[in-house]
Amino acid sequence: QSALTQPASVSASPGQSITISCTGTSSDVGGYHYVSWYQQHPDKAPKLIIYDVIYRPSGVSDRFSGSKSGNTASLTISGLQAEDEADYYCSSFSSTNTLSYVFGTGTKVTVL
Amino acid sequence: QVQLVQSGAEVKKPGSSLKVSCKSSGDTFNKNAFFWVRQTPGQGLEWMGRIIPMLGSINYAQKFQGRVTITADESTTTVYMDLTNLKSDDTAIYYCATGSGNWFDPWGQGTLVTVSS
Repeated sequence: QSALTQPASVSASPGQSITISCTGTSSDVGGYHYVSWYQQHPDKAPKLIIYDVIYRPSGVSDRFSGSKSGNTASLTISGLQAEDEADYYCSSFSSTNTLSYVFGTGTKVTVL
Repeated sequence: QVQLVQSGAEVKKPGSSLKVSCKSSGDTFNKNAFFWVRQTPGQGLEWMGRIIPMLGSINYAQKFQGRVTITADESTTTVYMDLTNLKSDDTAIYYCATGSGNWFDPWGQGTLVTVSS
């Protein structure tokens, strides 16, 4: 099963906004409202920041927001801060072949 | 607040088997699903499988079918992941995670597995 497609890297200055895309198919991203996003700092476990496309877990900054259109989901980080520099992964429930989950290829966010 | 604590790092020979444990604290063991995800060096995340202890339901990623077995022990609130016939490209950090829906939260600390002759 193919990974969801994300840009390899995105960079911006503090205070700016960035958007990370996550492209799949109608069997995963496009077919379900089960897209989640994870932030991973070096040598740390991933941390959930968005679930079910648009929802933020308690304690996650409202600078993080999610959306979806067709087969592409997006994560927007507004008011970029130094602590946002990390790797970001999307994930989606998938019904390709069998029940499963698929992750994105990952995006390295650099705060200039 | 659920916490997941995994077993320690392992070094394995090619062709051998691996068993990683993931102990869950909190009262969600019989409510949540538990997942295994791995991350190969410098690479992204890869979903391996899921178990829902309350339902006895288990699903595996097609890539690992026949090599992976996920089990759960309700008495110790521990989930296990067995992987057989290890190869060098199974060298990775193996994570367990849990969730009450189609997401992974929280995650265990990860278990580094090195497969080398």
